[in-house]
Amino acid sequence: SQQGEEDPQALSIQEGENATMNCSYKTSINNLQWYRQNSGRGLVHLILIRSNEREKHSGRLRVTLDTSKKSSSLLITASRAADTASYFCATGGAGGTSYGKLTFGQGTILTVHP
Amino acid sequence: DTGVSQDPRHKITKRGQNVTFRCDPISEHNRLYWYRQTLGQGPEFLTYFQNEAQLEKSRLLSDRFSAERPKGSFSTLEIQRTEQGDSAMYLCATATPVGKETQYFGPGTRLLVL
Repeated sequence: SQQGEEDPQALSIQEGENATMNCSYKTSINNLQWYRQNSGRGLVHLILIRSNEREKHSGRLRVTLDTSKKSSSLLITASRAADTASYFCATGGAGGTSYGKLTFGQGTILTVHP
Repeated sequence: DTGVSQDPRHKITKRGQNVTFRCDPISEHNRLYWYRQTLGQGPEFLTYFQNEAQLEKSRLLSDRFSAERPKGSFSTLEIQRTEQGDSAMYLCATATPVGKETQYFGPGTRLLVL
């Protein structure tokens, strides 16, 4: 079953604008990760934030995590047409028997127009 | 290219036939996961291997599904007596020993059951 919701389901912006995607989840987590998927292809890992972290940066990406609200956001600054893809948040469960398996949201489809 | 390969990339089969997919992990990755992704959804966990041991199976993995990882290297996922509902993208992901949670996904095998 899906862990939670992603918002918005689809986002359309112009090149150079910022894109913000939100993710909510339901259970306790060890970490939250964001992945990107180009149409019909596998997923590429973007960034990981641990449950004891509040914000993390990687290049044009900024991720925040609010464990009290069970939510996260991914900000892509100065977007490019090549950023067009589906973006998924995924949570890694807390507890020793989670084995690191990921529970994914439904994803946000981002379209960046040149 | 993450270094994880899957074969075949596409498979079309008739209902009732058996199919087998293969995943070759990054060589030092002892953790291997199978996920299934249907159109418009995020991936859903199917099963997990640590070395050659299958440690967890999702309830999604009916008795028509079987997975193996002989010698802790490549893995196979077999679906017997395929049904139209099995049509999906089957993704393999691998990871290093526990402590580093990033998973590296293969390109996936897209299955269409007619």
